[in-house]
Amino acid sequence: DTEVTQTPKHLVMGMTNKKSLKCEQHMGHRAMYWYKQKAKKPPELMFVYSYEKLSINESVPSRFSPECPNSSLLNLHLHALQPEDSALYLCASSQGRGYTFGSGTRLTVV
Amino acid sequence: DQQVKQNSPSLSVQEGRISILNCDYTNSMFDYFLWYKKYPAEGPTFLISISSIKDKNEDGRFTVFLNKSAKHLSLHIVPSQPGDSAVYFCAASIQNNDMRFGAGTRLTVKP
Repeated sequence: DTEVTQTPKHLVMGMTNKKSLKCEQHMGHRAMYWYKQKAKKPPELMFVYSYEKLSINESVPSRFSPECPNSSLLNLHLHALQPEDSALYLCASSQGRGYTFGSGTRLTVV
Repeated sequence: DQQVKQNSPSLSVQEGRISILNCDYTNSMFDYFLWYKKYPAEGPTFLISISSIKDKNEDGRFTVFLNKSAKHLSLHIVPSQPGDSAVYFCAASIQNNDMRFGAGTRLTVKP
């Protein structure tokens, strides 16, 4: 298995909702990442987990809460989001050089 | 702070010709550089990479050149094919942590 799987592929949520994005990899990669990509912009790093511990938080608002339950799973919990948080959320993993990206979750906040 | 810059938002090339995509960076601590290809509604797909100790890496039709003194790298695709049409992101990392992306260049290869 050489893939990073993200679910759901699409998500529409209201500003008062609580939802979670999920990411899974079975390549034994020990680093996992969340990126946010707005239309016609590059992916922007949000969080880095290394060996299941949060190592980088790029000053992301607290309405985004990451969680790494084990070495294969990475979640992003969403609460009280704003319409401007609508974007493609990408998960990636790495071990050594190069990252493997998932296909992303297209999030729309209404 | 845009540490990785791709100043050309788009590039159009005729099939069979060479495509040259450029990328500049500002952080001299970057030690690993990558090119990703991205189709709409998909995650970036790794294309080719180069370590800072090298100045060239070749893989089939794709060659990446690194000029450390100029903090510049480029991706050459030759010959270009219509299937190469996509957005290409340049990326750089320090010790494989927190990879930073350029804004991307949309390549269109015309038949």
